[in-house]
Amino acid sequence: GQQVQQSPTSLVLQEGENAELQCNFSTSLNSMQWFYQRPGGSLVSVFYNPSGTKQSGRLTSTTVIKERRSSLHISSSQITDSGTYLCAMEPSGSWQLIFGSGTQLTVMP
Amino acid sequence: EAAVTQSPRNKVAVTGGKVTLSCNQTNNHNNMYWYRQDTGHGLRLIHYSYGAGSTEKGDIPDGYKASRPSQENFSLILELATPSQTSVYFCASRMGSNSGNTLYFGEGSRLIVV
Repeated sequence: GQQVQQSPTSLVLQEGENAELQCNFSTSLNSMQWFYQRPGGSLVSVFYNPSGTKQSGRLTSTTVIKERRSSLHISSSQITDSGTYLCAMEPSGSWQLIFGSGTQLTVMP
Repeated sequence: EAAVTQSPRNKVAVTGGKVTLSCNQTNNHNNMYWYRQDTGHGLRLIHYSYGAGSTEKGDIPDGYKASRPSQENFSLILELATPSQTSVYFCASRMGSNSGNTLYFGEGSRLIVV
């Protein structure tokens, strides 16, 4: 089965609403990262977050390693937040990054 | 900012033909990776490399070869392309395999095999 489960698969918001994206991992992990992908574009790292809570502007990431889960909260969403958000985990004992299938976020005006 | 450049950006290939996707990074990163991205699958690791001369199999290596002739360059080779290899391919690099080293991605190469 998939080692990284992301939810929801897609999300449509009105501008100004908040979003909560989830990642669950089936194996123990050393760390995890969140990436953002613009439609048809490359991926850029949003957060490297092995544990705890990190905030950058309107984005907040919370990772609970023992519970094998991480969340990405987007407050006061903007149209420019639209795109795909992917989480990736680094399994214990491995250096690879294993990706989830992503959450496609659409923010409407 | 790390720079990862892929070529070609778009390619149409014939079934049975040979395809080479190239990747160049200018930040002296040790580790390089090739992923493919398909709807519903996220990114899947094909091959990776620890440094010049090394190539390792990822999760889905069948039908692909890789070559790392130098620190800067990492190629993905499809000797006999098939329609199932139609996808978007991403190259990425990072300094080392220690946790905390983020991955830098190229812009992607869109391959269509007809």
